[in-house]
Amino acid sequence: QSALTQPASVSGSPGQSISISCTGTNNDIGTYNFVSWYQQRPGTAPQLLIYQVVNRPSGVPDRFSGSKSAYAASLTISGLQAEDEADYYCASYTRNNTPIFGGGTKLTVV
Amino acid sequence: QVQLVQSGAEVKKPGASVKVSCKTSGYTFNSFYIHWLRQAPGQGLEWMGIINPYNGDTRHAQKLQGRITMTRDTSTATVYMELKSLKSEDTAVYFCARDRTVVLAATEYYFGFWGQGTQLTVST
Repeated sequence: QSALTQPASVSGSPGQSISISCTGTNNDIGTYNFVSWYQQRPGTAPQLLIYQVVNRPSGVPDRFSGSKSAYAASLTISGLQAEDEADYYCASYTRNNTPIFGGGTKLTVV
Repeated sequence: QVQLVQSGAEVKKPGASVKVSCKTSGYTFNSFYIHWLRQAPGQGLEWMGIINPYNGDTRHAQKLQGRITMTRDTSTATVYMELKSLKSEDTAVYFCARDRTVVLAATEYYFGFWGQGTQLTVST
């Protein structure tokens, strides 16, 4: 099963908003609302940002939000900060009862 | 607070086996699924398998069939992942991660808490 499709990189300036897309198929995002997003800074473990498409774990700023439409999910970061510079991964439950990840998006805050 | 502490870096030769540990604390060990994931150099995340600490049931990614074994020790709240017949392509950072979902429900694969990662290098 192929990975979910994410842009390789996105960039934005402090204070701006950016969105990262994550495209799947009817075997994953298109059928299930079990989408999650992770932030990974260099040399560290990923951190859960969003689960069940739109929910934030406690401690995650409300600048991070998730959405989904048809076969694509999106992560939006508003009020971009320098500390948001990291790699971002989407993930989804699949028809095989396994998870699948996107290839990752490198966010640069310029 | 929830913590997952993994064993240290390993260097193995092709064909060998490795066993990585993940010691948990800060919550009821039997109550939450634990997953194993890995990340090859410069690559994305790959799910390897899941263990139910309550009863020891496991499932794993099809591509690892016959090579991966996951176990747990309830007395020490530790889970283990053993990977056999190592290949150079197994070189990666290996993570354990605790699910958000309690074992009474089906997992939706949300990895809420992570270990620090264990670097495995497979090389002659």
